[in-house]
Amino acid sequence: DTAVSQTPKYLVTQMGNDKSIKCEQNLGHDTMYWYKQDSKKFLKIMFSYNNKELIINETVPNRFSPKSPDKAHLNLHINSLELGDSAVYFCASSQDWGTGISGANVLTFGAGSRLTVL
Amino acid sequence: KQEVTQIPAALSVPEGENLVLNCSFTDSAIYNLQWFRQDPGKGLTSLLLIQSSQREQTSGRLNASLDKSSGRSTLYIAASQPGDSATYLCAGLGSARQLTFGSGTQLTVLP
Repeated sequence: DTAVSQTPKYLVTQMGNDKSIKCEQNLGHDTMYWYKQDSKKFLKIMFSYNNKELIINETVPNRFSPKSPDKAHLNLHINSLELGDSAVYFCASSQDWGTGISGANVLTFGAGSRLTVL
Repeated sequence: KQEVTQIPAALSVPEGENLVLNCSFTDSAIYNLQWFRQDPGKGLTSLLLIQSSQREQTSGRLNASLDKSSGRSTLYIAASQPGDSATYLCAGLGSARQLTFGSGTQLTVLP
C-alpha cells in the first residue's frame, strides 16, 4: 500500500496545454509538499501545505496552482505549459512542519511524475 | 538564504570499501540535517535525520555526523555493496523552516 502516491507517473503534452498532477498520502501526515527536480537533479521546493493551509509558496510562476481539498491530498495544476516546465515533480509529506521535533520533519516522497513538454 | 553543496558530484568505489560523502551548508542556524537516497527513476528515501542538538546518527552501516560550527555533515558508509549504488542527497532545514537540498553525490559501487 503506497504511502505517497502520485498520478500520472509520466505526462507528455504540448506547449500551451493545461495539466494536473495528483498526490495522495495515507500516512495521516499534516504537511504536504511539491518539489521540482530539474535536469541537473536539483530539488527545489515549490509549495507546502499544512492542514490544507498554504505555508510555503516559493517564487513559482502563477501558472502553477496547488490545491489541497483535504490534508491527505495536494494536487498541482499547471496552466499554459512551457518547455521549461519539463522536469520531474515530486510530492512529499511529513508528520508536521518546521517544529524541529525529532522525526516530525522526516519527508516521505512519492515516486515522481515526469512531465515532458513538447 | 540556505545553500547546500555536496562534493564530489560522483564517486566510484570497489565493493567492500568504506566511504564518506560530504555536505556543506551556509546557514548554521539549522534545525536538522537529513540524508536521502534516490534510485534512478524513483523518489527519495529518507536515510537519517540529525537534529541540531545531535552530533551523529547511526543506522546499520550508515553513520551521519553534523558539525554546525563548520557547516558540515558527512555520511559514512561502511563495507559498501553494489546495492548501495544510488544518488545520495543531503538537505538542511534552516531558519526559513524549509528543506534546502544539495545536488547530490552519485555513488557507484563496483562488484
